[in-house]
Amino acid sequence: GAGVSQSPSNKVTEKGKDVELRCDPISGHTALYWYRQSLGQGLEFLIYFQGNSAPDKSGLPSDRFSAERTGGSVSTLTIQRTQQEDSAVYLCASSLSGLRNTIYFGEGSWLTVV
Amino acid sequence: DQQVKQNSPSLSVQEGRISILNCDYTNSMFDYFLWYKKYPAEGPTFLISISSIKDKNEDGRFTVFLNKSAKHLSLHIVPSQPGDSAVYFCAASANGGSQGNLIFGKGTKLSVKP
Repeated sequence: GAGVSQSPSNKVTEKGKDVELRCDPISGHTALYWYRQSLGQGLEFLIYFQGNSAPDKSGLPSDRFSAERTGGSVSTLTIQRTQQEDSAVYLCASSLSGLRNTIYFGEGSWLTVV
Repeated sequence: DQQVKQNSPSLSVQEGRISILNCDYTNSMFDYFLWYKKYPAEGPTFLISISSIKDKNEDGRFTVFLNKSAKHLSLHIVPSQPGDSAVYFCAASANGGSQGNLIFGKGTKLSVKP
């Protein structure tokens, strides 16, 4: 596709359930980022993948959060045993290689934990 | 403690006039700064960036100014247009933008009145 694609666009889940959020970056982009935006807050860095390098996981808020990127393309963000404070918009972005290239964001996956 | 601060949650400007959005940062290690625009229900869109080796970068109607001694940057939009109405996020990074850990402010909502 032409842009970063995320699915699902909206997800309502019960507290304690696991969720998976998917991101298809722009073809050819080696860098992939996950951010989240909680209500009234700025964007919070979660994790960064660059090519075959080990991902920068420094932003993951707890061990309930994990992400992988298969084949250097599609990425999945998994949240285990969801809590209400996990409710946020989860934004995926990609760029050709690192921040010096323009970062393109997807439209986000809106997660609501009830 | 917020490392990137946008102290004005909102700004209203008349069409044709200048919009000035401000951003302050606390981390002296930041050396790469970006502005993003976000419309409701869409992902952020890259606007303009500046490296700490510069004090000004211009792209059409958008100019970013960086004052390193004051740890302050600003985005000027001249002339402002109704289509510029959006939330503007300031973001900063260390290590010359080589990593994915962008730190975002909470955003300023700009309203441009016709």
